[in-house]
Amino acid sequence: NAGVMQNPRHLVRRRGQEARLRCSPMKGHSHVYWYRQLPEEGLKFMVYLQKENIIDESGMPKERFSAEFPKEGPSILRIQQVVRGDSAAYFCASSPHTGPGNTIYFGEGSWLTVV
Amino acid sequence: KNEVEQSPQNLTAQEGEFITINCSYSVGISALHWLQQHPGGGIVSLFMLSSGKKKHGRLIATINIQEKHSSLHITASHPRDSAVYICAVEETSGSRLTFGEGTQLTVNP
Repeated sequence: NAGVMQNPRHLVRRRGQEARLRCSPMKGHSHVYWYRQLPEEGLKFMVYLQKENIIDESGMPKERFSAEFPKEGPSILRIQQVVRGDSAAYFCASSPHTGPGNTIYFGEGSWLTVV
Repeated sequence: KNEVEQSPQNLTAQEGEFITINCSYSVGISALHWLQQHPGGGIVSLFMLSSGKKKHGRLIATINIQEKHSSLHITASHPRDSAVYICAVEETSGSRLTFGEGTQLTVNP
């Protein structure tokens, strides 16, 4: 039973390019969360998705960032026209259902470097 | 003021010492999580608590809901325990996590 799988683990993009980060949740999990960890800072919530629905995107920057979790395939966090300030570790987490007290499983993270 | 505060920010211990990391929060929560992160690595969930105390091996986590405080204890610490320990809360208003800034623990042999 594979854990939460994220790819790529490391991604280098030039300013202005697009970055796509993928997250396959644990088998049977239909809830996906994306978190960002900026250098020397704590983790911050970005977006919470269920299959085909964005439930809470209050932590997403208003421009250039989007997320989806299609019926088939992984969840994708997309960053358009990347800037140096987007350099961070992006973590995906999944849980089997919503409600208090779920064990949440994290992926290994995707480290984005914008040069 | 952050909704989740951890102390200390940095902690250095000798192998074998008993370690305590504290977490205080200011919001209503449905659960509190303790997480571990190694340098350049992923995040591992250590505990999920909604009341009382849990123990796993040398790790113990406690929570006092009335005082809005939790502690993570490590008994007989070992250099492999060196990592960042993060407290995170699930607010009653939703499923997402709000994180503390983390505690960098270094255990020297």
